[in-house]
Amino acid sequence: DGGITQSPKYLFRKEGQNVTLSCEQNLNHDAMYWYRQDPGQGLRLIYYSQIVNDFQKGDIAEGYSVSREKKESFPLTVTSAQKNPTAFYLCASSARRGTGQPQHFGDGTRLSIL
Amino acid sequence: QKEVEQNSGPLSVPEGAIASLNCTYSDRGSQSFFWYRQYSGKSPELIMFIYSNGDKEDGRFTAQLNKASQYVSLLIRDSQPSDSATYLCAVRSSYNTDKLIFGTGTRLQVFP
Repeated sequence: DGGITQSPKYLFRKEGQNVTLSCEQNLNHDAMYWYRQDPGQGLRLIYYSQIVNDFQKGDIAEGYSVSREKKESFPLTVTSAQKNPTAFYLCASSARRGTGQPQHFGDGTRLSIL
Repeated sequence: QKEVEQNSGPLSVPEGAIASLNCTYSDRGSQSFFWYRQYSGKSPELIMFIYSNGDKEDGRFTAQLNKASQYVSLLIRDSQPSDSATYLCAVRSSYNTDKLIFGTGTRLQVFP
């Protein structure tokens, strides 16, 4: 089955710790995205990537980092610099850039502070 | 003014009725519009997208777009309790077409 797999489903971060959220897709999509969702707020874009080895900051990139070494994978690291990391993190992907294709989401990772 | 505005609800409708969800946007150059359904605790699921003015129907769902009024809506006919969810409107930015701008969502409750 084609889809987007996020892991883990739940993650707990200790003070001063970096944690990495995994996102893998087997849809052969070019573009991948990371969003953060807080209660009562819309999805906010953290980072996105249209091609391998290239990515751009979204609206709330501070305290986060990403890499895109493979087309299928777009991991997100929540660094200790992100002071309020508790949120629902969503990874999405879409087909070729410029085609207007919609984004499809993985099941998400819930991150909490211990 | 928010870029994409939705009434947070809840919008309560009886089973079998038509639910009408509305969304306005500020980017006049936007060309692509999407509706996602999000059940509590789950991730958003794409249910409709529309690019041209007018109506687009898919089963019980109809998306309506009026670019002149900067307005997009979603109609759900024969609403079922399983339709109870938050519906997110998303608009592709004309300034950066790689980006979708999301509204905060309208919570729909369908009661038996």
